[in-house]
Amino acid sequence: KNEVEQSPQNLTAQEGEFITINCSYSVGISALHWLQQHPGGGIVSLFMLSSGKKKHGRLIATINIQEKHSSLHITASHPRDSAVYICAAPSPNTGNQFYFGTGTSLTVIP
Amino acid sequence: DAGVIQSPRHEVTEMGQEVTLRCKPISGHNSLFWYRQTMMRGLELLIYFNNNVPIDDSGMPEDRFSAKMPNASFSTLKIQPSEPRDSAVYFCASSLGSQETQYFGPGTRLLVL
Repeated sequence: KNEVEQSPQNLTAQEGEFITINCSYSVGISALHWLQQHPGGGIVSLFMLSSGKKKHGRLIATINIQEKHSSLHITASHPRDSAVYICAAPSPNTGNQFYFGTGTSLTVIP
Repeated sequence: DAGVIQSPRHEVTEMGQEVTLRCKPISGHNSLFWYRQTMMRGLELLIYFNNNVPIDDSGMPEDRFSAKMPNASFSTLKIQPSEPRDSAVYFCASSLGSQETQYFGPGTRLLVL
């Protein structure tokens, strides 16, 4: 069993749709990271959150530490949002080892 | 700031050759991470430095892999000898602290023939 599981694995949406990507983890952590990997391969850290909700532009990330679940929402999706979104949870033991989800490949169609 | 700089961006080599990947972290960051990404295994953390000292290298696959950080502005990841299964994209990331937001470099795409 993977320590971090994401769903869905692939997602296709029409421009303007509201998108939700889910991440569940089995390890006890104090924070979780959301990463975005563009088709060219570059990785950008979107959020690091330990509780509640964070918002950056059209992106919103929420986390429920007790339920070990996090969601990434994209409002008014745009083709430039097309990317792979990865959630990552640091190991509770070292804090430095990360458990990565397999990623959600998002394609937003104009 | 130029961000995290990695070189080379692409490397093609033959099995058995030595490969050296380079990383320049963002100035002022004291944590540096090396990751490997493959289709089969996704992103994996290989090794992590804090203040130039290797803290956790449990992700390093085997003795053929070694990493150094001689100073705060430079790190290398070396594979000797390289094997085809080492083909992957290798990312370097830096952060102000180990629990802070990480900034990723563009990656080095390695192909071992």
